[in-house]
This record gives sequence, C-alpha cells and structure tokens, in this order.
Amino acid sequence: NAGVTQTPKFQVLKTGQSMTLQCAQDMNHNSMYWYRQDPGMGLRLIYYSASEGTTDKGEVPNGYNVSRLNKREFSLRLESAAPSQTSVYFCASRLGSGGPETQYFGPGTRLLVL
Amino acid sequence: AQSVTQLDSHVSVSEGTPVLLRCNYSSSYSPSLFWYVQHPNKGLQLLLKYTSAATLVKGINGFEAEFKKSETSFHLTKPSAHMSDAAEYFCVVSDRSTGGFKTIFGAGTRLFVKA
Repeated sequence: NAGVTQTPKFQVLKTGQSMTLQCAQDMNHNSMYWYRQDPGMGLRLIYYSASEGTTDKGEVPNGYNVSRLNKREFSLRLESAAPSQTSVYFCASRLGSGGPETQYFGPGTRLLVL
Repeated sequence: AQSVTQLDSHVSVSEGTPVLLRCNYSSSYSPSLFWYVQHPNKGLQLLLKYTSAATLVKGINGFEAEFKKSETSFHLTKPSAHMSDAAEYFCVVSDRSTGGFKTIFGAGTRLFVKA
C-alpha cells in the first residue's frame, strides 16, 4: 500500500514549456486534490475531483488543467509554464468529499520555472 | 465564511520545554479541525483532528489540541519538545459551504527546537 504517489519529484522548466504532474492513490478514495504550497501562504487548492469523472476549480486554477483519468489517477497540466508557477505541488486524496475526513498527501513535486 | 489564522509564523523552544502553537478559526457551522505536520521535503501528515466529539483531542507523538468554541481556538500543545518535532505545522478547518465542504489551510507555523 503506497498511499499517494507523485511524479516527478523535481522539475525545471523554461517559461512557455508544458508539463504534466502525475498523481496516483491506491486507497480506493473518491476525492482527489491538487494544491500548491508557497512560503507564508499555506496550501492553496488548485483543482479537485470529488469523484471519478468530475473536476472543479479551487482557489487558484488559472494556468492549470486537470484530468481525472480513473479513480486512481489525477493529473495536473501546465500548458505554458510561467515563473509565477514556481512552487511545490501536492496531491491529496480522501475517501469522501470533505468534513471530518482526513486527507492523505503525496510527497510533493518541486517545480522551478525559469 | 471560513478562515484560519495561525498566530505565529515561527516558534522556537528548547528541547524538553513545552510547545504551544496557536490557531484561531472562523466558521459558520460546526467545523472539523485538523493539525498536520510537514517535515522538511516531505508531504503533510495528520497529527490529530477534532470532529465534534471530545473537545480535548490527543494525537500522535504526544501532541494534543483543545477545541474552545467560545474562543474559536484550536491550539496545539506538547508538554516536552523533542528535536524530532522541528517541522512546519498547519492548522486546517473543514466546514460546510455552498455545494459541499470547504477546506482551508492556515499559513503554517515553523517550529524550531534548540538543543
């Protein structure tokens, strides 16, 4: 049971390049989330998927797209990377849709956009 | 509207002394409250959570937190700090919102432990 896994761990991009961050969970969770973490700002929600086949915008969705490929996998795509997207990205999952349920986090992807 | 305020961005304690990390929240309903810990270059791990049962919640590694509705606080404490407690700590509130639940993270408190 690996929990939540993310690839890659590190990535350096040039402005304008595209890339996809991958996330998978093996806990049979329904909801999955993408956050970005910036110094002094906690975690901010980019997009989430409450169930397979649905996705919704979070607090900071501009410049990103997501795909809930199946129940296990939830990818985040940067179509044209910008320096403002330099951040640490975390994927998380939970069994239901919120409230008292614990979120489980992946180890993070560190992205540098030059 | 929900919000979370962690009152200290940094806290420094000596090993063996008590730890207090402060968190205040605002919520329209009956929130669930969480503390997560993040060690350097790692993901977030749940320390403890409050879900409307006992107001004093015990978590892993000797941490506990008390839900005080009258003060809208959920401060995290530990009687005796250990070097391994050095990390960043996040207070999180999850509450009902239009269309479902909303989860808000505090900005984080970095705990330093001196030998």
